Amino acid sequence: DTGVSQDPRHKITKRGQNVTFRCDPISEHNRLYWYRQTLGQGPEFLTYFQNEAQLEKSRLLSDRFSAERPKGSFSTLEIQRTEQGDSAMYLCASSPGGGRNTIYFGEGSWLTVV
Amino acid sequence: GNSVTQMEGPVTLSEEAFLTINCTYTATGYPSLFWYVQYPGEGLQLLLKATKADDKGSNKGFEATYRKETTSFHLEKGSVQVSDSAVYFCALVHSLDYKLSFGAGTTVTVRA
Repeated sequence: DTGVSQDPRHKITKRGQNVTFRCDPISEHNRLYWYRQTLGQGPEFLTYFQNEAQLEKSRLLSDRFSAERPKGSFSTLEIQRTEQGDSAMYLCASSPGGGRNTIYFGEGSWLTVV
Repeated sequence: GNSVTQMEGPVTLSEEAFLTINCTYTATGYPSLFWYVQYPGEGLQLLLKATKADDKGSNKGFEATYRKETTSFHLEKGSVQVSDSAVYFCALVHSLDYKLSFGAGTTVTVRA
């Protein structure tokens, strides 16, 4: 098992540019999550996929954010017209089905908007 | 709603000292409880978990017991090492939910 993989690990972008992060979950995990973590805080839930269906989006996910999971495998998180407040670590996680299953996290993608 | 409150840090200890990080939760029903650890610049790693009352999770010398009567899941380690320096997060998943709710994290620094 290779674990949850995220790319890129670090991204520096200018305000107003678009960025995209990719997440490859653990093989056969049908649940995929995106979280955001700012310095000194715990991760905050952004969105959740069950296979290819996006079942929940947090109010934190403004209309500049979009997430997809085509074919229920990898996922992308795109941020359009980035703002300095978007600077954070974006964490992807996956789990098998079932409410009590462990959720496994990737290494995260650091975004710095300058 | 579901929430987790954990001890504020930072916590600084000497090697071989005893570590306790308090965690209490608010949730209806019977959530599953987790401790995750985050080393500098890295993502979160599962440290241990417990899925029902009185369960004890353990890993790498760390332990935590699910106490329903006090709605707590305190993390303990009897003898810390410098390599235990990290941020520790308490979290829960409600039995009818699928997403983790995290505490704010506790930064632990162990000095040689």
